[in-house]
Amino acid sequence: GESVGLHLPTLSVQEGDNSIINCAYSNSASDYFIWYKQESGKGPQFIIDIRSNMDKRQGQRVTVLLNKTVKHLSLQIAATQPGDSAVYFCAENFGNEKLTFGTGTRLTIIP
Amino acid sequence: SQTIHQWPATLVQPVGSPLSLECTVEGTSNPNLYWYRQAAGRGLQLLFYSVGIGQISSEVPQNLSASRPQDRQFILSSKKLLLSDSGFYLCAWAPGASSGNTIYFGEGSWLTVV
Repeated sequence: GESVGLHLPTLSVQEGDNSIINCAYSNSASDYFIWYKQESGKGPQFIIDIRSNMDKRQGQRVTVLLNKTVKHLSLQIAATQPGDSAVYFCAENFGNEKLTFGTGTRLTIIP
Repeated sequence: SQTIHQWPATLVQPVGSPLSLECTVEGTSNPNLYWYRQAAGRGLQLLFYSVGIGQISSEVPQNLSASRPQDRQFILSSKKLLLSDSGFYLCAWAPGASSGNTIYFGEGSWLTVV
């Protein structure tokens, strides 16, 4: 089946800087996207989601951007903190009960 | 509020032994339930999902099986474990009756087959 991919497997960001994590998806029928954060040894936690009728959605210190033209999704984290260090997954849904996950990006915050 | 519990958190099992991982969800009814596996440093692979009691969909052929004996209970089993079954197993749930919903994960179970 089609899969969600990530441009960068690892990303290091200075504490206090903004970070951008990118994700490419291949299924043009996908209509719902989610970003998850997974800390070491724990289950993924929901961060933010966006539906295909939107281009941008903001949460607390996080923003998700969706570009349907090029099938690209990004997660922006403002003013990164040490607690932001984790693996971030994007996931897509195309009208069924399942989510397809990317392989993840490991974000490391440098003090 | 809804909560999800899975256990055991860690286990070490010999090759050829059986497996049973259990998951329960509280605070909701008729959820969609999922079992995912995650190899070290890798992404999430969907193993099974269920939209109702006794309804199981298998995504990957393997020596694992799943059952849903009650509305909010999901069990992952194996009769004989293989070394390749080692990994991090995650139970998850989503509101049922419609698609395009967020999936919420439990804390996971680490399985090491030796």
